[in-house]
Order: sequence, then structure tokens, then C-alpha cells
Amino acid sequence: NAGVMQNPRHLVRRRGQEARLRCSPMKGHSHVYWYRQLPEEGLKFMVYLQKENIIDESGMPKERFSAEFPKEGPSILRIQQVVRGDSAAYFCASSAGVNTEAFFGQGTRLTVV
Amino acid sequence: SQQGEEDPQALSIQEGENATMNCSYKTSINNLQWYRQNSGRGLVHLILIRSNEREKHSGRLRVTLDTSKKSSSLLITASRAADTASYFCATDAGANSKLTFGKGITLSVRP
Repeated sequence: NAGVMQNPRHLVRRRGQEARLRCSPMKGHSHVYWYRQLPEEGLKFMVYLQKENIIDESGMPKERFSAEFPKEGPSILRIQQVVRGDSAAYFCASSAGVNTEAFFGQGTRLTVV
Repeated sequence: SQQGEEDPQALSIQEGENATMNCSYKTSINNLQWYRQNSGRGLVHLILIRSNEREKHSGRLRVTLDTSKKSSSLLITASRAADTASYFCATDAGANSKLTFGKGITLSVRP
């Protein structure tokens, strides 16, 4: 039973480009969460999705960031027109339901140059 | 505002000793989860303790929860060099189970 799979592990983008981060939840998990971790910091919640629905996006910046979790395929976190301040580690977590263990992927480390 | 706050921020111990890490939080919770993160890696789930539980064990790990004091502790017994990592507590406090993390504790276990 594979864990939460994220790709790519490392992503380098020039300022102004788009970044697409992918997350496949654990088998049987329908709840997906995205978090961002800045250096020497804990993780900060960004968005919570279930299949085809955004449930809570209270942690998402208002502009340039979007997320989806289609009926088929992985969840995608999309950052348009990246800026240096977007450089961070982005983690995806999945769970089988609320009030259960959340398991994390290895993260995508985004570097904007 | 910070929900989970761990202390100490850094802990250095000798292999074989026990390591105790604490976490305090501000609001009522559904559960509290502890994670380990090795440098530059993902988070490994260690243990979940629900609000109606007071203590849980998993191998060399022991977690306690005191909801009256809004605090939790993680005890690692007989520490090993491989336990060197950052440890985070995360609280699940709402209907959506989004987690709020502290800044973490850096544990160094000297061989």
C-alpha cells in the first residue's frame, strides 16, 4: 500500500513561470490537504479538498494559487506567475476521514530563481 | 495565531537517555498528532491521541494529553542516534480536520 505520493520532489522555476505540484493520496483516502513549510518553520495549512470539491481554502493566498482534486487523477496545486517568496516546501497529506490520522508525502521543494 | 507550541525548541541528549517534548495549545481539539521530520524530508506520522484519551503508547513512544491544561507530551525512551530529527505536534480543532502545527523541536541524540 503505497503512501502519499508527491511529484516532482524538486522543482525550479523562474519568476513569472507556473508551478504545478501533484499529489496522489493513499489508497482509500478521499481527503487531501496541502500545507506549506518555510525554512525553520512549522507547516501552514493551505487548502482541504475532497473529490471534485474544495472544502476549505482559508489558507490559500487570494491570487495566483489554485488547487483541484478531480474525479480521476491526482490533486494539483497550481501557482501562477511564481515569485521568490513562493520558494518553500509544499506538502500534501491525505486521510480516510475527519478526526483520523493524516499521512504526509515527501513534499515538493519549490525554488524560484 | 500559533495553536501548537512545542518546548523546548531544541534538545540534546545522550544515546540511551529519555527525551521528553511538550506541546501546548489554545483551543479545544478533536485530536493531537505528533510527527517526526528528518532534515529535508517529509513528515512521518508517529501517533494520534484523541481528546477523550489521556495516554497512548507505540513502541518506545509514550504520548499524554491533558485537556484541562491544553498540553501534550511526547516521551521517547532509550533514545537512539536515529531519533535525531525535528518533532512537531499538530492539533485538529475543527470540523475539517485541518492541522495547526507548532514550530517544532529539534532533537539531537549524541552517540
